[in-house]
Amino acid sequence: GGIITQTPKFLIGQEGQKLTLKCQQNFNHDTMYWYRQDSGKGLRLIYYSITENDLQKGDLSEGYDASREKKSSFSLTVTSAQKNEMAVFLCASTNTGNTEVFFGKGTRLTVV
Amino acid sequence: GDSVTQTEGLVTLTEGLPVMLNCTYQTIYSNPFLFWYVHYLNESPRLLLKSSTDNKRTEHQGFHATLHKSSSSFHLQKSSAQLSDSALYYCALSDRYGSSGNKLIFGIGTLLSVKP
Repeated sequence: GGIITQTPKFLIGQEGQKLTLKCQQNFNHDTMYWYRQDSGKGLRLIYYSITENDLQKGDLSEGYDASREKKSSFSLTVTSAQKNEMAVFLCASTNTGNTEVFFGKGTRLTVV
Repeated sequence: GDSVTQTEGLVTLTEGLPVMLNCTYQTIYSNPFLFWYVHYLNESPRLLLKSSTDNKRTEHQGFHATLHKSSSSFHLQKSSAQLSDSALYYCALSDRYGSSGNKLIFGIGTLLSVKP
């Protein structure tokens, strides 16, 4: 079996700060995702990537950048943290044609 | 665009009673794939059920769901709720043939709380 590791688990930032969240997977999956989880709003897709160096915008990409430097890693940058950014960010991965998506445990972001 | 609508908010049940969490969807995909994911506290969300076959019941861990393309629905059911079923449940949608690169769209989630 594989695992998805998200770092850090908890991230505290200041309003206006640029913050980076990291995700590593050892499934050798092609596709990776970043979702934001907010109570009452579900899991909203920020960015996804179907292969190394590919980036596809989700519905919530404004205010974020992403980078897929290699197959196993996918990072997400909050370009300017806002107080309403407090949420859990979930990284996930799957293989093309494989219908099961696997998730990491999340990074909880708090902006002060 | 594509969207998923679920039973909103919190569903509270007494142990032993049946569970029904609603999920409907809108999509341009001619072959949608529907999923239920479960998210227990302090764990990662994980797949509970999936289906792309119209009118065929799929089951796992006591839960079942049937994709009905005519009504665009994929409701989650269980005959008897257990305390351990308390969790956040997400319905999700993707394209069966991956034309959008495995883009997976989730509903807002339904928090199920089972009481003794």
